[in-house]
Amino acid sequence: KQEVTQIPAALSVPEGENLVLNCSFTDSAIYNLQWFRQDPGKGLTSLLLIQSSQREQTSGRLNASLDKSSGRSTLYIAASQPGDSATYLCATGSGNTGKLIFGQGTTLQVKP
Amino acid sequence: EPEVTQTPSHQVTQMGQEVILRCVPISNHLYFYWYRQILGQKVEFLVSFYNNEISEKSEIFDDQFSVERPDGSNFTLKIRSTKLEDSAMYFCASHLLRDRAYEQYFGPGTRLTVT
Repeated sequence: KQEVTQIPAALSVPEGENLVLNCSFTDSAIYNLQWFRQDPGKGLTSLLLIQSSQREQTSGRLNASLDKSSGRSTLYIAASQPGDSATYLCATGSGNTGKLIFGQGTTLQVKP
Repeated sequence: EPEVTQTPSHQVTQMGQEVILRCVPISNHLYFYWYRQILGQKVEFLVSFYNNEISEKSEIFDDQFSVERPDGSNFTLKIRSTKLEDSAMYFCASHLLRDRAYEQYFGPGTRLTVT
């Protein structure tokens, strides 16, 4: 059974810092890994999708990497801004239907 | 850009009542999903649906739950007799299945409050 873990649970940084969020998973038989952003009480905004054959994806200040063999993914946020404050979720797609298994999330606070 | 929509955004119901949550997936998508997120907890997979039948369901998805695609556009989740512990945010997602590596697109969610 796939287990997805995110470390740290919470992170507070000053504006402008580069930061790394970590995601680990127990079963490497995944189709993809998605990173999401969730604002309090809101829905899920997809940030990046890494397919199982890929090593990384980039979008603006965000870069996500995937190492299937070690069961790890990282989300790198460059030059953080207060508007980046949110909870970041990672999820692996697996199983017969590509269902997503989510981690608990990392709650990020970027202080001005 | 096409998007997944969900109605209502917030539903309040009394324990024991039936509720139906509605979703309109992206029109050319083939696979549909329901997830839920209890306040402060992980997003959890409930069920996947393809070709008018359930493809996979979690242990959470017991006989109180059902899904259907009544008219080729809507995708609904019914909870027959709601319990307090059903209070959660329910998310619908859809997927263009040529390859399971494709991205799932999520709706904004329906917040269900059972009193």
